[in-house]
Amino acid sequence: EAQVTQNPRYLITVTGKKLTVTCSQNMNHEYMSWYRQDPGLGLRQIYYSMNVEVTDKGDVPEGYKVSRKEKRNFPLILESPSPNQTSLYFCASSPSGNEKLFFGSGTQLSVL
Amino acid sequence: GQQVMQIPQYQHVQEGEDFTTYCNSSTTLSNIQWYKQRPGGHPVFLIQLVKSGEVKKQKRLTFQFGEAKKNSSLHITATQTTDVGTYFCAGLANNDYKLSFGAGTTVTVRA
Repeated sequence: EAQVTQNPRYLITVTGKKLTVTCSQNMNHEYMSWYRQDPGLGLRQIYYSMNVEVTDKGDVPEGYKVSRKEKRNFPLILESPSPNQTSLYFCASSPSGNEKLFFGSGTQLSVL
Repeated sequence: GQQVMQIPQYQHVQEGEDFTTYCNSSTTLSNIQWYKQRPGGHPVFLIQLVKSGEVKKQKRLTFQFGEAKKNSSLHITATQTTDVGTYFCAGLANNDYKLSFGAGTTVTVRA
């Protein structure tokens, strides 16, 4: 089944403790992206990647890192999480940068 | 940077009634996409509009792209309880690969 898989679904952590949210897609998509969703603000792009080893900042990249070593994987790294990074995170992929996005099921992150 | 504004933020609809949600961009778009997110779920692609003045229909949903390619609308007729959720528009500017999402319209339906 074609899908975008994110893990974990829920994560509670403490300020400053490094964490990684994984994202994997099995559709051979070139484009992958991370979004955070906050009430009243919609989906804001954190980082995106047009292809392997190519990543670019989105609208809210501060405090986040990404890597794209393989086509299928696009992990989101929070080196030193802070409470303002408490949010619902979505990974998405697309055949190319201007086609429809396929979203993962989301990761609800709480930073205490 | 590009901004996409979406109104209204909330829409409370009586079952059977129609409603429209609107999307406006500060810049000209190469295409606009619409997504639906059910409560507790993830956004799911509905449609993409590319041409100026384009109108597309999916059953009770009608999507329009403005002539200037800076605005779009989603009109739902005869609202049903299955229409509950948040509808997002997302615009892609020319020569860009950053899809900018509106804040969404959250729809609730009174039976």
